[in-house]
Amino acid sequence: AQSVTQLDSHVSVSEGTPVLLRCNYSSSYSPSLFWYVQHPNKGLQLLLKYTSAATLVKGINGFEAEFKKSETSFHLTKPSAHMSDAAEYFCVIRRGNNRLAFGKGNQVVVIP
Amino acid sequence: SQTIHQWPATLVQPVGSPLSLECTVEGTSNPNLYWYRQAAGRGLQLLFYSVGIGQISSEVPQNLSASRPQDRQFILSSKKLLLSDSGFYLCAWSAADRWNYEQYFGPGTRLTVT
Repeated sequence: AQSVTQLDSHVSVSEGTPVLLRCNYSSSYSPSLFWYVQHPNKGLQLLLKYTSAATLVKGINGFEAEFKKSETSFHLTKPSAHMSDAAEYFCVIRRGNNRLAFGKGNQVVVIP
Repeated sequence: SQTIHQWPATLVQPVGSPLSLECTVEGTSNPNLYWYRQAAGRGLQLLFYSVGIGQISSEVPQNLSASRPQDRQFILSSKKLLLSDSGFYLCAWSAADRWNYEQYFGPGTRLTVT
Protein backbone atom coordinates (compact mmCIF):
# COMPACT_ATOMS: atom_id res chain seq x y z
CA ALA A 1 0.00 0.00 0.00
CA GLN A 2 1.13 3.54 -0.68
CA SER A 3 2.49 5.39 2.34
CA VAL A 4 4.79 8.24 3.34
CA THR A 5 7.11 8.71 6.27
CA GLN A 6 8.01 12.04 7.78
CA LEU A 7 10.69 12.05 10.43
CA ASP A 8 11.50 14.98 12.71
CA SER A 9 8.05 15.75 14.03
CA HIS A 10 9.31 19.17 15.22
CA VAL A 11 11.68 21.33 13.21
CA SER A 12 13.14 24.65 14.36
CA VAL A 13 14.73 27.05 11.90
CA SER A 14 16.02 30.58 12.24
CA GLU A 15 14.40 33.26 10.15
CA GLY A 16 16.30 33.72 6.91
CA THR A 17 17.89 30.25 6.95
CA PRO A 18 16.94 27.32 4.68
CA VAL A 19 14.09 24.98 5.46
CA LEU A 20 14.35 21.24 4.73
CA LEU A 21 11.51 18.84 5.52
CA ARG A 22 12.12 15.21 4.68
CA CYS A 23 9.61 12.78 3.22
CA ASN A 24 10.16 9.23 2.03
CA TYR A 25 7.50 7.28 0.23
CA SER A 26 6.60 3.67 -0.41
CA SER A 27 4.67 2.82 -3.54
CA SER A 28 4.29 -0.14 -5.86
CA TYR A 29 3.82 2.16 -8.85
CA SER A 30 4.79 5.66 -9.92
CA PRO A 31 3.37 7.82 -7.15
CA SER A 32 1.48 11.08 -7.02
CA LEU A 33 2.84 13.12 -4.13
CA PHE A 34 1.81 16.35 -2.44
CA TRP A 35 2.85 18.72 0.30
CA TYR A 36 0.17 20.48 2.30
CA VAL A 37 0.54 23.18 4.94
CA GLN A 38 -1.74 23.79 7.91
CA HIS A 39 -1.65 26.95 9.99
CA PRO A 40 -3.04 26.72 13.55
CA ASN A 41 -6.73 25.81 13.67
CA LYS A 42 -7.05 26.15 9.91
CA GLY A 43 -7.74 23.80 7.07
CA LEU A 44 -4.99 22.42 4.87
CA GLN A 45 -3.62 24.29 1.88
CA LEU A 46 -1.90 22.62 -1.06
CA LEU A 47 1.72 23.77 -1.42
CA LEU A 48 2.73 21.70 -4.44
CA LYS A 49 2.20 18.41 -6.20
CA TYR A 50 4.19 15.87 -8.21
CA THR A 51 2.38 13.78 -10.81
CA SER A 52 5.21 12.26 -12.92
CA ALA A 53 6.08 15.38 -14.88
CA ALA A 54 9.14 17.46 -13.90
CA THR A 55 11.00 16.03 -10.91
CA LEU A 56 11.61 19.49 -9.43
CA VAL A 57 8.29 20.96 -8.46
CA LYS A 58 7.79 24.58 -7.53
CA GLY A 59 4.97 25.56 -5.24
CA ILE A 60 3.52 28.57 -3.52
CA ASN A 61 5.30 30.83 -1.04
CA GLY A 62 8.77 29.98 -2.38
CA PHE A 63 8.64 26.27 -1.55
CA GLU A 64 9.83 23.54 -3.86
CA ALA A 65 10.28 19.79 -3.71
CA GLU A 66 12.36 17.31 -5.66
CA PHE A 67 11.17 13.83 -6.53
CA LYS A 68 14.03 11.29 -6.38
CA LYS A 69 12.98 7.83 -7.38
CA SER A 70 16.36 6.29 -6.50
CA GLU A 71 15.98 7.53 -2.94
CA THR A 72 12.16 7.20 -2.77
CA SER A 73 12.14 10.75 -1.45
CA PHE A 74 10.16 13.94 -1.92
CA HIS A 75 11.81 16.48 0.37
CA LEU A 76 10.41 20.00 0.74
CA THR A 77 12.76 22.98 0.75
CA LYS A 78 12.72 26.75 0.94
CA PRO A 79 15.88 28.87 0.65
CA SER A 80 14.96 31.38 3.35
CA ALA A 81 12.45 30.87 6.16
CA HIS A 82 9.94 33.58 6.98
CA MET A 83 8.02 33.96 10.21
CA SER A 84 4.81 33.21 8.32
CA ASP A 85 6.18 29.73 7.48
CA ALA A 86 5.54 28.59 11.04
CA ALA A 87 2.94 25.86 10.55
CA GLU A 88 2.52 22.12 10.23
CA TYR A 89 3.52 20.47 6.96
CA PHE A 90 2.19 17.18 5.65
CA CYS A 91 3.65 14.96 2.97
CA VAL A 92 0.87 13.08 1.20
CA ILE A 93 0.64 10.24 -1.32
CA ARG A 94 -2.27 9.27 -3.49
CA ARG A 95 -3.86 5.91 -2.85
CA GLY A 96 -6.53 4.13 -4.87
CA ASN A 97 -10.03 5.57 -5.42
CA ASN A 98 -8.74 9.14 -5.14
CA ARG A 99 -7.90 8.73 -1.49
CA LEU A 100 -4.85 10.32 0.10
CA ALA A 101 -2.53 8.96 2.79
CA PHE A 102 -0.94 11.58 5.03
CA GLY A 103 2.34 11.53 6.87
CA LYS A 104 2.36 12.41 10.56
CA GLY A 105 3.45 15.97 9.83
CA ASN A 106 6.35 18.30 10.61
CA GLN A 107 5.66 21.11 13.05
CA VAL A 108 7.88 24.00 11.94
CA VAL A 109 8.91 26.72 14.37
CA VAL A 110 10.63 29.81 13.00
CA ILE A 111 12.96 31.57 15.42
CA PRO A 112 13.32 35.32 14.92
CA SER B 1 -14.25 29.47 -8.19
CA GLN B 2 -14.88 26.63 -5.80
CA THR B 3 -15.40 27.10 -2.09
CA ILE B 4 -15.98 24.68 0.74
CA HIS B 5 -17.83 25.50 3.95
CA GLN B 6 -17.99 23.73 7.26
CA TRP B 7 -20.04 24.48 10.32
CA PRO B 8 -20.00 24.93 13.14
CA ALA B 9 -16.44 26.15 13.58
CA THR B 10 -16.27 24.97 17.18
CA LEU B 11 -18.49 22.69 19.22
CA VAL B 12 -18.49 21.49 22.82
CA GLN B 13 -20.73 18.52 23.47
CA PRO B 14 -21.26 16.20 26.45
CA VAL B 15 -20.58 12.49 26.24
CA GLY B 16 -23.62 10.61 24.96
CA SER B 17 -25.07 13.53 23.02
CA PRO B 18 -25.69 13.41 19.25
CA LEU B 19 -23.53 15.09 16.64
CA SER B 20 -24.14 16.61 13.24
CA LEU B 21 -21.42 18.39 11.27
CA GLU B 22 -22.14 19.79 7.87
CA CYS B 23 -19.98 20.43 4.83
CA THR B 24 -21.05 22.05 1.58
CA VAL B 25 -19.15 22.74 -1.61
CA GLU B 26 -19.90 25.48 -4.13
CA GLY B 27 -18.75 26.00 -7.69
CA THR B 28 -18.34 22.39 -8.78
CA SER B 29 -20.52 19.43 -9.66
CA ASN B 30 -20.28 15.78 -8.64
CA PRO B 31 -17.23 16.22 -6.42
CA ASN B 32 -15.65 13.45 -4.41
CA LEU B 33 -16.13 14.32 -0.74
CA TYR B 34 -14.11 13.30 2.31
CA TRP B 35 -14.27 13.53 6.10
CA TYR B 36 -11.04 13.48 8.10
CA ARG B 37 -10.30 13.63 11.81
CA GLN B 38 -7.16 15.14 13.18
CA ALA B 39 -6.36 14.20 16.75
CA ALA B 40 -3.49 15.78 18.62
CA GLY B 41 -0.17 14.33 17.47
CA ARG B 42 -1.79 11.77 15.20
CA GLY B 43 -1.94 13.38 11.77
CA LEU B 44 -5.03 13.10 9.58
CA GLN B 45 -7.18 10.01 9.54
CA LEU B 46 -9.62 9.49 6.67
CA LEU B 47 -13.03 8.60 8.12
CA PHE B 48 -15.37 8.51 5.12
CA TYR B 49 -15.39 9.32 1.44
CA SER B 50 -18.14 9.61 -1.14
CA VAL B 51 -18.10 9.54 -4.92
CA GLY B 52 -21.78 10.37 -5.34
CA ILE B 53 -25.14 10.97 -3.68
CA GLY B 54 -25.91 8.21 -1.21
CA GLN B 55 -22.54 6.50 -1.82
CA ILE B 56 -20.48 6.36 1.36
CA SER B 57 -17.34 4.36 2.03
CA SER B 58 -16.05 3.99 5.56
CA GLU B 59 -12.33 3.73 6.19
CA VAL B 60 -12.37 2.66 9.83
CA PRO B 61 -15.02 1.21 12.13
CA GLN B 62 -16.09 3.80 14.63
CA ASN B 63 -18.83 5.62 16.42
CA LEU B 64 -19.54 7.92 13.50
CA SER B 65 -21.54 7.80 10.28
CA ALA B 66 -21.73 9.94 7.16
CA SER B 67 -24.41 10.80 4.66
CA ARG B 68 -24.57 12.63 1.36
CA PRO B 69 -28.16 13.73 0.81
CA GLN B 70 -27.30 16.15 -1.99
CA ASP B 71 -24.53 16.35 -4.57
CA ARG B 72 -22.53 18.99 -2.72
CA GLN B 73 -23.52 18.28 0.87
CA PHE B 74 -21.73 15.90 3.20
CA ILE B 75 -22.81 15.30 6.79
CA LEU B 76 -20.95 13.63 9.63
CA SER B 77 -23.08 12.27 12.46
CA SER B 78 -23.06 10.35 15.68
CA LYS B 79 -25.93 9.13 17.83
CA LYS B 80 -23.87 9.13 21.05
CA LEU B 81 -20.54 10.89 21.32
CA LEU B 82 -17.57 9.36 23.12
CA LEU B 83 -14.67 11.22 24.71
CA SER B 84 -12.44 9.76 22.03
CA ASP B 85 -14.46 11.57 19.34
CA SER B 86 -12.81 14.86 20.31
CA GLY B 87 -10.65 16.32 17.59
CA PHE B 88 -10.47 18.60 14.59
CA TYR B 89 -12.76 17.47 11.78
CA LEU B 90 -11.95 18.44 8.24
CA CYS B 91 -14.05 18.09 5.14
CA ALA B 92 -12.42 18.02 1.72
CA TRP B 93 -13.41 17.74 -1.91
CA SER B 94 -11.67 16.68 -5.08
CA ALA B 95 -12.67 16.71 -8.72
CA ALA B 96 -14.22 13.54 -10.04
CA ASP B 97 -11.66 13.68 -12.86
CA ARG B 98 -9.35 10.74 -12.20
CA TRP B 99 -6.32 12.79 -13.23
CA ASN B 100 -6.82 15.51 -10.65
CA TYR B 101 -5.96 14.04 -7.30
CA GLU B 102 -5.45 17.02 -5.05
CA GLN B 103 -7.99 17.63 -2.36
CA TYR B 104 -9.20 21.00 -1.14
CA PHE B 105 -9.97 21.38 2.52
CA GLY B 106 -12.55 23.30 4.47
CA PRO B 107 -11.72 25.40 7.55
CA GLY B 108 -12.52 22.57 9.96
CA THR B 109 -14.65 22.03 13.08
CA ARG B 110 -13.03 21.80 16.50
CA LEU B 111 -15.07 19.27 18.53
CA THR B 112 -14.55 18.86 22.25
CA VAL B 113 -16.46 16.11 23.99
CA THR B 114 -16.70 16.66 27.75
